[in-house]
Amino acid sequence: GAVVSQHPSWVICKSGTSVKIECRSLDFQATTMFWYRQFPKQSLMLMATSNEGSKATYEQGVEKDKFLINHASLTLSTLTVTSAHPEDSSFYICSALPPLTEAFFGQGTRLTVV
Amino acid sequence: DAKTTQPTSMDCAEGRAANLPCNHSTISGNEYVYWYRQIHSQGPQYIIHGLKNNETNEMASLIITEDRKSSTLILPHATLRDTAVYYCIVRVGMNRDDKIIFGKGTRLHILP
Repeated sequence: GAVVSQHPSWVICKSGTSVKIECRSLDFQATTMFWYRQFPKQSLMLMATSNEGSKATYEQGVEKDKFLINHASLTLSTLTVTSAHPEDSSFYICSALPPLTEAFFGQGTRLTVV
Repeated sequence: DAKTTQPTSMDCAEGRAANLPCNHSTISGNEYVYWYRQIHSQGPQYIIHGLKNNETNEMASLIITEDRKSSTLILPHATLRDTAVYYCIVRVGMNRDDKIIFGKGTRLHILP
């Protein structure tokens, strides 16, 4: 079946640095991908909708200058957490919908900012 | 905001059927009921979906009330590997642009 792959699975970075997370659709083209953030023992919170070839659409309260999204091809969306701080430590998950089927989710990226 | 309400947590004995309820009283006529689950530290996994008829697949059964205001996910023979958070979601079909909004879900504990 369709697969969505995220990389890396986990990352530790120093406060103030930037981190890039990749989300790939492996056997289908995804014009739209979604990025979620999940804090411990909480549900997934939608951060933004990534649109191929155009600007991402951010949910209310999500800083677009801090969470940069690039969807340069039909199989790849990237989320860059800029100037990361400890409060950005979280589990980041992407999702995509292949044609005429249910949504698939990446395995998630655990970000720890120290 | 999520359009569904679910119990916060449930326990089920291994080998027994797990019945997870979901209320979606404001569901629209063109919205489907979807169920996903999330095992610890993994991305969500699709389980099943339905519009108004009951559905069954290799993982589970979905029972939707006639008025469509509630549904029940049934795991017929729960195993320890079914321990997860289960999310009930309503959304309009499989439109690839239709974002999925998660509620708080039900944390299901399968007891040995």
